[in-house]
Amino acid sequence: AQTVTQSQPEMSVQEAETVTLSCTYDTSESDYYLFWYKQPPSRQMILVIRQEAYKQQNATENRFSVNFQKAAKSFSLKISDSQLGDAAMYFCAYRSFDNNDMRFGAGTRLTVKP
Amino acid sequence: DTEVTQTPKHLVMGMTNKKSLKCEQHMGHRAMYWYKQKAKKPPELMFVYSYEKLSINESVPSRFSPECPNSSLLNLHLHALQPEDSALYLCASSQVGRVNYEQYFGPGTRLTVT
Repeated sequence: AQTVTQSQPEMSVQEAETVTLSCTYDTSESDYYLFWYKQPPSRQMILVIRQEAYKQQNATENRFSVNFQKAAKSFSLKISDSQLGDAAMYFCAYRSFDNNDMRFGAGTRLTVKP
Repeated sequence: DTEVTQTPKHLVMGMTNKKSLKCEQHMGHRAMYWYKQKAKKPPELMFVYSYEKLSINESVPSRFSPECPNSSLLNLHLHALQPEDSALYLCASSQVGRVNYEQYFGPGTRLTVT
């Protein structure tokens, strides 16, 4: 079974600075999808960014980018120019290629200091 | 419309009660999911419906009974719950297929079992 590990339970960043959240996963599959989801306090979970395993190019979405290292099974999220609204729980997630089963990491709580 | 709605927002029930959680989406998604999320923990997959058929049941106790009456609706019937079942119950939906479809999450129902 696939497992997702987020080794940083909490992270803190100064407003306008850059922060990187770590995620590693374990799988025997060659094709899969990876996601970062954000869950603000008492608010809905929303997708931040996604990556297809077959794509070598790292995904970017505005201030959010990933560093996908397939051989190392690593999928880190970089948030540039951090804003107060970025404060949330961030979950890394893995989805198999041919089914809808998604597995989440334990999460990293990000605090943004003004 | 990229919204998944869930009712009720909060639910308090006794261990002998029967209640139902409701989830609705109008995005044309043919996969719908139930997750359970305890405080400060990641979502845990409970059930997946694909084309209105139960495709994944993660060994959930029978006191939880899912139902998918049509492609837009997903219910979770609750009966004889235990206090440890108190949690946030999240519904999600997505398209189906071997592509990188994200899951859209609802705001959740916060369930307290007394």
